[in-house]
Amino acid sequence: DAGVIQSPRHEVTEMGQEVTLRCKPISGHDYLFWYRQTMMRGLELLIYFNNNVPIDDSGMPEDRFSAKMPNASFSTLKIQPSEPRDSAVYFCASSLRGTTDTQYFGPGTRLTVL
Amino acid sequence: AQSVSQHNHHVILSEAASLELGCNYSYGGTVNLFWYVQYPGQHLQLLLKYFSGDPLVKGIKGFEAEFIKSKFSFNLRKPSVQWSDTAEYFCAVNTPKGSARQLTFGSGTQLTVLP
Repeated sequence: DAGVIQSPRHEVTEMGQEVTLRCKPISGHDYLFWYRQTMMRGLELLIYFNNNVPIDDSGMPEDRFSAKMPNASFSTLKIQPSEPRDSAVYFCASSLRGTTDTQYFGPGTRLTVL
Repeated sequence: AQSVSQHNHHVILSEAASLELGCNYSYGGTVNLFWYVQYPGQHLQLLLKYFSGDPLVKGIKGFEAEFIKSKFSFNLRKPSVQWSDTAEYFCAVNTPKGSARQLTFGSGTQLTVLP
């Protein structure tokens, strides 16, 4: 299996622009997680899905952030409008059996908002 | 809220030295424990995990960790580090959140191994 796939790997945008990050989980994994990694706050869980349904979005920082999972093999994390403080590495992870199971991480998207 | 503490932010060792990275957590109930590693420019990879049973867990690349429930600790060890072990190491604890569980990560420890 190719593992968790994320795109783009790097994104540089200007403040106010819309940013869309993409993730393809490992085939057969029913759980998908979005994390954000910053120097100040470390790794934070933003949201996770089970069978394409958002289960816990309490980590989403504010309304500018939204995430969708239209099918079992694709998820997006959108930031609109983006701000410089959103600059971070965003990781997607998937797991087979849920929040008690091992999570497999993608390579991350490094987002820079100027 | 549950917390995971990694007190060593940056550890520098010479090759062949022994390694121990500390991890403490604040939840008193049943936990699942993980150590992940992030090599430079790469994604997080699982080193080892503890769910139940023998509290001494062996992982990949010669790493092991010991779960000490009374100390709320899950320290990572390796008897002899190599230059290729240079990476950032994250402890993570799976604790209840509502009806589900959530993985909470420590702040990470950057390990630099000098050749």
